[in-house]
Amino acid sequence: SQTIHQWPATLVQPVGSPLSLECTVEGTSNPNLYWYRQAAGRGLQLLFYSVGIGQISSEVPQNLSASRPQDRQFILSSKKLLLSDSGFYLCAWSATGDSGANVLTFGAGSRLTVL
Amino acid sequence: GQNIDQPTEMTATEGAIVQINCTYQTSGFNGLFWYQQHAGEAPTFLSYNVLDGLEEKGRFSSFLSRSKGYSYLLLKELQMKDSASYLCAVKNSNYQLIWGAGTKLIIKP
Repeated sequence: SQTIHQWPATLVQPVGSPLSLECTVEGTSNPNLYWYRQAAGRGLQLLFYSVGIGQISSEVPQNLSASRPQDRQFILSSKKLLLSDSGFYLCAWSATGDSGANVLTFGAGSRLTVL
Repeated sequence: GQNIDQPTEMTATEGAIVQINCTYQTSGFNGLFWYQQHAGEAPTFLSYNVLDGLEEKGRFSSFLSRSKGYSYLLLKELQMKDSASYLCAVKNSNYQLIWGAGTKLIIKP
């Protein structure tokens, strides 16, 4: 069966510090991978998605970046955090290819507080 | 633009039935999803509808009317553990998922 791991679960960072959130998927090959951010009372905002190693699509211009160094590894980074980067970050995967029925499965999430 | 509308919050009583509505306007349609999200946790998949009609899964059912751009999630025999947010999401013609802001369901004894 497939599992998705995301860490760290919580972190408190000062403004201007770097960020690295990591996500790995087990039990599948060539998954589609996603990073979302969820602000309180708002819908999930897609930040990045990837259909393969080294292929990253950015949905929202910001000071965040993503990388996919291995097939089942997805990393969200920032060189200098802003207060507005605080939020709940979710990694997710779905089966490869476009299909209406492909279900998104989420990692446990990372709660980021920037002070 | 594309948008998903669902009520912000609903309250229901343990043992009762509740219906959470979702209306959508998207560029094309390739399916509608319902997810459950407990506070502080990740969303988990509940149901998927692509054809009109009712899909039943135990105590949960989901209905879709594509002509009306409308869906609902029906929860029966409510339990305290059903207290959560319920997210509606639609896949558009580009297979992008458009998310609603979620409905927070409060269950009272």
